[in-house]
Amino acid sequence: GAVVSQHPSRVICKSGTSVKIECRSLDFQATTMFWYRQFPKQSLMLMATSNEGSKATYEQGVEKDKFLINHASLTLSTLTVTSAHPEDSSFYICSANPQRGQETQYFGPGTRLLVL
Amino acid sequence: GENVEQHPSTLSVQEGDSAVIKCTYSDSASNYFPWYKQELGKGPQLIIDIRSNVGEKKDQRIAVTLNKTAKHFSLHITETQPEDSAVYFCAASMGRDDKIIFGKGTRLHILP
Repeated sequence: GAVVSQHPSRVICKSGTSVKIECRSLDFQATTMFWYRQFPKQSLMLMATSNEGSKATYEQGVEKDKFLINHASLTLSTLTVTSAHPEDSSFYICSANPQRGQETQYFGPGTRLLVL
Repeated sequence: GENVEQHPSTLSVQEGDSAVIKCTYSDSASNYFPWYKQELGKGPQLIIDIRSNVGEKKDQRIAVTLNKTAKHFSLHITETQPEDSAVYFCAASMGRDDKIIFGKGTRLHILP
């Protein structure tokens, strides 16, 4: 199947700092990528849809000024958590569609963020 | 919007027996239903999916059934093995780059 990578896999930061997470499609181009957040023992909650060359679409309740998304190329989307607080500590996962117009999404390995 | 319900939340099955996980969805416009397996600390892995134009799909020990009229779909794992222990998520989508809505997950334990 298609391969999606994330970097870093783990990050620990101090409260008030910003953290950038990268999501890359390694063997395909993705015009659309998705960002999810998962708290312990809970399901994946969609945060936003990242569209190459245009603004991201955020889900209701997700602050777009706090979670900055940039999809500058067909293989890279970044999520920046600005002014992170302990409650932002979570598992962040991205996904991408290998073929435009198709439904199948492949997920990255996730990034565990811990804000102290 | 779409809402996906998943049951049970936890399932313990003797090794070699079958496991069944059931999901329902609310939006009749949904036409794509993937199932994901997630191991601890890892991202979800697609294990099987079904589209609304078919009622059943099988891949070795894994099968999925879909009842569009009742808006429910199920995952069946036969001859379970220890490596099947994980959290399984059902999901629904309207396809074509549309977002996927997940169920709350089922934690499957395979007992020795």
